[in-house]
Amino acid sequence: GENVEQHPSTLSVQEGDSAVIKCTYSDSASNYFPWYKQELGKRPQLIIDIRSNVGEKKDQRIAVTLNKTAKHFSLHITETQPEDSAVYFCAANLLNTGNQFYFGTGTSLTVIP
Amino acid sequence: ETGVTQSPTHLIKTRGQQVTLRCSSQSGHNTVSWYQQALGQGPQFIFQYYREEENGRGNFPPRFSGLQFPNYSSELNVNALELDDSALYLCASRWGLAGTSGELFFGEGSRLTVL
Repeated sequence: GENVEQHPSTLSVQEGDSAVIKCTYSDSASNYFPWYKQELGKRPQLIIDIRSNVGEKKDQRIAVTLNKTAKHFSLHITETQPEDSAVYFCAANLLNTGNQFYFGTGTSLTVIP
Repeated sequence: ETGVTQSPTHLIKTRGQQVTLRCSSQSGHNTVSWYQQALGQGPQFIFQYYREEENGRGNFPPRFSGLQFPNYSSELNVNALELDDSALYLCASRWGLAGTSGELFFGEGSRLTVL
């Protein structure tokens, strides 16, 4: 089955700096890669996703890049703000099959004011 | 539009007991999946229900079982509780098995502590 690894496990940045979180996956068939944000005591919520036919996707201050050959994808947050502090999870899935989502172990991001 | 709701939010059980967790899917969603999130870990897939039938199961023993009802709400049952079952149990809903949107809509979870 699919195996998703995520690094780093914790990340602290100064407000205004950029943050990058990286994930690798093992199954080349996976074609959908979402990122979820989970604030303390809250539910995970989708913040951005990317499909395998696209190399990069951007939504305001967040972007995701995908390298299918190397089987890794990354989340980039620019101009970080204290409200970006949360745990971020990457995931991999084979869309349109009903297959399960495989999640990474999470990155705890702290933005220091 | 009503979001995914789960109950109870917190519960404490002892080893060997049984527990039932409940989930109401988001309005219009007919697929429900359950995830176990241990402390400091990512969600691990338990199983998925589509139109009242189990459709996919992760690496969990048979003492983890579930149901989906005609209104698409769902239950997760865990028998013979073990200490390692202590975790946050998340329910997620979506419409259909295959679609253009892969987004999972999560509930806020049920925090289970096994003593």
